[in-house]
Amino acid sequence: QVTLRESGPALVKPTQTLTLTCTFSGFSLSTSGMCVSWVRQPPGKALEWLARIDWDDYKYYSTSLKTRLTISKDTSKNQVVLTMTNMDPVDTGTYYCARTTGPLDYWGQGILVTVSS
Amino acid sequence: DIQLTQSPSSLSASVGDRVTITCQASQDIDNYLNWYQQKPGKAPKLLISDASNLETGVPSRFSGSGSGTDFTFTISSLQPEDNGTYYCQQYDKVPMTFGQGTRLEI
Repeated sequence: QVTLRESGPALVKPTQTLTLTCTFSGFSLSTSGMCVSWVRQPPGKALEWLARIDWDDYKYYSTSLKTRLTISKDTSKNQVVLTMTNMDPVDTGTYYCARTTGPLDYWGQGILVTVSS
Repeated sequence: DIQLTQSPSSLSASVGDRVTITCQASQDIDNYLNWYQQKPGKAPKLLISDASNLETGVPSRFSGSGSGTDFTFTISSLQPEDNGTYYCQQYDKVPMTFGQGTRLEI
């Protein structure tokens, strides 16, 4: 059974760095073809893909956000960490992690992050 | 980046109706196109992968077709539980991208 769960702060201040952790089970990120993506969704708006890390440690980022994002993995802990620097109120939204095997086939429940002073 | 344009952005239909949503890619993406359903307050759910592959457990009233730049998602007979927002997503090239969504009201 594949499960993913996002964790991190619900509230961050402008200019701060956001650190989110995705803890998963039911698969291994050391298995060929396995990847984990982060996707966000501002309130009432569309989904936006942010980043992906692959089993071989290749990393990919959103073009518009790549200067602010870092994705990493701890295979032994079954965790993927996303950091986003210089947070702004427009970054408010729900952040999801998802197993990615091509399609994003399993998703976490999401975590709502609010950016406000 | 590859742009995905969904149409319509919203629609209202009745139970039993046939509903079609289109997704146009800004360049050829072969069949690397997926469809998701999202209900309010919930995570998206993968319905169709690789343009036409119905995921396990997804009702057969859902279908997808297309390749290259033009794709179609169809619900053959709308049910009350099909309300929500539907997104297409491409994974031919990184960065992956989503369409802007189609809000379906029953």
